[in-house]
Amino acid sequence: DAGVTQSPTHLIKTRGQQVTLRCSPKSGHDTVSWYQQALGQGPQFIFQYYEEEERQRGNFPDRFSGHQFPNYSSELNVNALLLGDSALYLCASSLVGSGNTIYFGEGSWLTVV
Amino acid sequence: RKEVEQDPGPFNVPEGATVAFNCTYSNSASQSFFWYRQDCRKEPKLLMSVYSSGNEDGRFTAQLNRASQYISLLIRDSKLSDSATYLCVVNGDNFNKFYFGSGTKLNVKP
Repeated sequence: DAGVTQSPTHLIKTRGQQVTLRCSPKSGHDTVSWYQQALGQGPQFIFQYYEEEERQRGNFPDRFSGHQFPNYSSELNVNALLLGDSALYLCASSLVGSGNTIYFGEGSWLTVV
Repeated sequence: RKEVEQDPGPFNVPEGATVAFNCTYSNSASQSFFWYRQDCRKEPKLLMSVYSSGNEDGRFTAQLNRASQYISLLIRDSKLSDSATYLCVVNGDNFNKFYFGSGTKLNVKP
C-alpha cells in the first residue's frame, strides 16, 4: 500500500522563478492538502483539493496555485518566488469526511536564493 | 489569535521521566484532535487521535477538555527515542482543514 509520495525531495530556485511540486496521495484517498512549514514552525495550510477543485484555501497569496488530476494526484505551483518561500512543502492526503486522519508525504525542501 | 497554540519548549527530561504537553485551540466548533510527532527534517507522523473520553496508547495518554479548549499529551517512562517535536493538530470548521501548533520540542537525555 503506497503512502503519500512527493517529488522532488530537494530543489533550489532563484528569486522570481517558478516552481512546481508534485504529490500522489495514499491509495484510496481522494483529498489532497498542501502545507508550508518554515523552519521552527508548524505546518501552515495552503489549500485543499477535492474532485479536481480547490475547496479551501489558507492565507496564502495568489502566487500559490494548484491542480488536482483525475487520478487524485496534485501539483503545487508557486510563481515569482521570494526568499521567504523557502520552506518544507508537505502534501497530505485524506479521505473526505468527518475527522479523517491526514497522512503526510516526506515533503519537498525548497530553497530560494 | 492563533488557531492552535503550544509551548515551544524545549522540554529537557531524563530517561524514565513523565512529561506532559498542553495545547489550546480557539475554535469551539472543532471536532477532531490529534497529536503528531515530527523528527528533525522529517514529515509529521500521526502519534494518536484524541477522543472526548481520553485515550491511552502504551506510554502515551491524550486528554481533551472541551470546556477549556485544550488537549494534552502525557508521556510516561520517557525513552531516548521519544526525542522529537510534538505537534498539536485541530480541525477547522470544515472537517478536512487542519490547523497545526508550532510544536513542542522534547529532548530525552540519558
